Amino acid sequence: EVQLLESGGRLVQPGGSLRLSCAASGFTFSNYAMTWVRQAPGKGLDWVSGISGSGGTTLYTDSVRGRFTVSRDKSQNMLYLLMDSLRVEDTAVYYCAKYTFGDDVRTGFEIWGQGTAVTVSS
Amino acid sequence: EIVLTQSPATLSLSPGERATLSCRASQSVSSSLAWYRQRSGQSPRLLIYAASNRAPGIPDRFSGSGSGTDFTLTISSLEPEDFAVYYCQQSWNWPLTFGGGTKVEI
Repeated sequence: EVQLLESGGRLVQPGGSLRLSCAASGFTFSNYAMTWVRQAPGKGLDWVSGISGSGGTTLYTDSVRGRFTVSRDKSQNMLYLLMDSLRVEDTAVYYCAKYTFGDDVRTGFEIWGQGTAVTVSS
Repeated sequence: EIVLTQSPATLSLSPGERATLSCRASQSVSSSLAWYRQRSGQSPRLLIYAASNRAPGIPDRFSGSGSGTDFTLTISSLEPEDFAVYYCQQSWNWPLTFGGGTKVEI
């Protein structure tokens, strides 16, 4: 069974750092691009970052570029999101998701994790 | 950034009825549009990709159409699990963007 399991979310003060993890299983991890999407409380979906199957290409939305870093460890089947200089507006549930087919972003995100909650507050 | 506008914001229907949801893009996204369903307290689930292709395991009561700037998701006969929020998402340009959602309620 294809599964994604996020962890690492917690309460953190503004300006702090956090690393989210996403454990992948049930598929050949290195064959698929992955992405992070967040959802603020009571709000819609917001794309954050993506990384190719090889890890050679990374992309970010403007509001997190320079503060967040996406990476993957193929040997451990793990996806990460390192978040620095956190702001109150980064408060959200963060989902990792797998592309439906390979690195083709046009095929959408077929499998999503259950999400991990990040709260940025003093 | 491409802005996606979904309408209506809320759709009130009964089980067995047909639902028609709209998504309009601020510029052409060709056929690079996906639809997701998010039930309360759950993660999103991919329904349609590339405007009209059903995702693996998605029943045929879901269909997508459109290209360019105007897209439609049709649910031919609503099941109880279909009462949820639906989002469209474009993958034509970075950053990827989502619409604001349409809530389908009883």
